Amino acid sequence: DVVMTQSPLSLPVTLGQPASISCRSSQGLVHSDGNTYLNWFQQRPGRSPRRLIYNVSNRDSGVPDRFSGSGSGTDFTLKISRVEAEDVGVYYCMQGTHWPLTFGGGTKVEIK
Amino acid sequence: QITLKESGPTLVKPTQTLTLTCTFSGFSLTTSGVGVGWIRQPPGKALEWLALTYGNDDKRYSPSLKTRLTITKDTSKNQVVLTMTNMDPVDTATYYCAHKRFEGSSWYYFDYWGQGTLVTVSS
Repeated sequence: DVVMTQSPLSLPVTLGQPASISCRSSQGLVHSDGNTYLNWFQQRPGRSPRRLIYNVSNRDSGVPDRFSGSGSGTDFTLKISRVEAEDVGVYYCMQGTHWPLTFGGGTKVEIK
Repeated sequence: QITLKESGPTLVKPTQTLTLTCTFSGFSLTTSGVGVGWIRQPPGKALEWLALTYGNDDKRYSPSLKTRLTITKDTSKNQVVLTMTNMDPVDTATYYCAHKRFEGSSWYYFDYWGQGTLVTVSS
């Protein structure tokens, strides 16, 4: 199985400051079809996960542009340019390139 | 507008079989380019993918749970059913179903999720 390792586990951030979450995969995530199926999900407290970013760097409709995804190979990053109160929650990366599908362990973003 | 909703028992006893239903709308599960997956989340823990079925009846399972899982679809009812045998307290979790699709030249994973259903395994 492809292991997805996220860091940090917890990320206290001051409102208005940037935040960065790392996700590393144990294998490269380029699919044979040429796509890299690395997704980022946000889970606010008590809510279902919501996809923010698909295929490394594509923002979903309605996702604020302060969220951005980047990376390649085995190293990926989710950045929030200026954290707002509504960004509190747990963030997960997920790879869809190799079976079985696997999620990272999550990064909890909280306000300092 | 795509929606999904999970339903099933909130409490099952150890060794029993769990049956969960995902009822969806806004898409049809009749082609190879559309799928519905199940993902679970134990309280306070991370997400874990379980199974996925496509409109062409292709199915994928988590290898660690494959012997206990069965995923089926009923296209006439717009439903996907997940059964998990031999339930154990460690299977206590919120179970989600989610939509997957193929468009253009790419797959799009889990762009829509249900609200989740909490299943507790206890005697």
